[in-house]
Amino acid sequence: GAGVSQSPRYKVAKRGQDVALRCDPISGHVSLFWYQQALGQGPEFLTYFQNEAQLDKSGLPSDRFFAERPEGSVSTLKIQRTQQEDSAVYLCASSLTLWTGAYNEQFFGPGTRLTVL
Amino acid sequence: SQQGEEDPQALSIQEGENATMNCSYKTSINNLQWYRQNSGRGLVHLILIRSNEREKHSGRLRVTLDTSKKSSSLLITASRAADTASYFCATDPGDTDKLIFGTGTRLQVFP
Repeated sequence: GAGVSQSPRYKVAKRGQDVALRCDPISGHVSLFWYQQALGQGPEFLTYFQNEAQLDKSGLPSDRFFAERPEGSVSTLKIQRTQQEDSAVYLCASSLTLWTGAYNEQFFGPGTRLTVL
Repeated sequence: SQQGEEDPQALSIQEGENATMNCSYKTSINNLQWYRQNSGRGLVHLILIRSNEREKHSGRLRVTLDTSKKSSSLLITASRAADTASYFCATDPGDTDKLIFGTGTRLQVFP
């Protein structure tokens, strides 16, 4: 079966442009996560959805970052008025979420590498 | 900010040698996981150890957890060139499902 897919794989944007990054989770996975990974660093949590509900957006660095998952499947991370410090790899992960408190393995996509010039 | 710090930041060894990576974290956890990331690729889950466990094995991997010291180690035995990658520890604080990653160790295994 297909894993988590992300598109585009690479995106170059001029400073000030808006970008939209797409994540297709594994079919049937309830939970979806976005992480930001700067060069040479570990991933940092951005936001989390359970179905279409955004339950945690505490990691979004500014109000220029917006994420949605309107039908509880595909998710889009939008960055408005991109800045150079937004350059990073954006990783999406999904998990089945059988029940709260149980371990739910997160499956990661390949990421979108965003470069802001 | 990141939860964990890993050391060493980089490690170079010959094939056949063992590689040990250490992770320290800051808050209480539900479990701790180790991930591998090959250059330009996503993260692959390797092994999970729960907060009430002290040691776990999976193939050539051995993980230990010391919750009193808030630290974990990953041992890869009989390393192979294909083990070359970055390795990250990640903690699950238990209040949400999000993972908090360490800074990573870059492992290079020379044939």
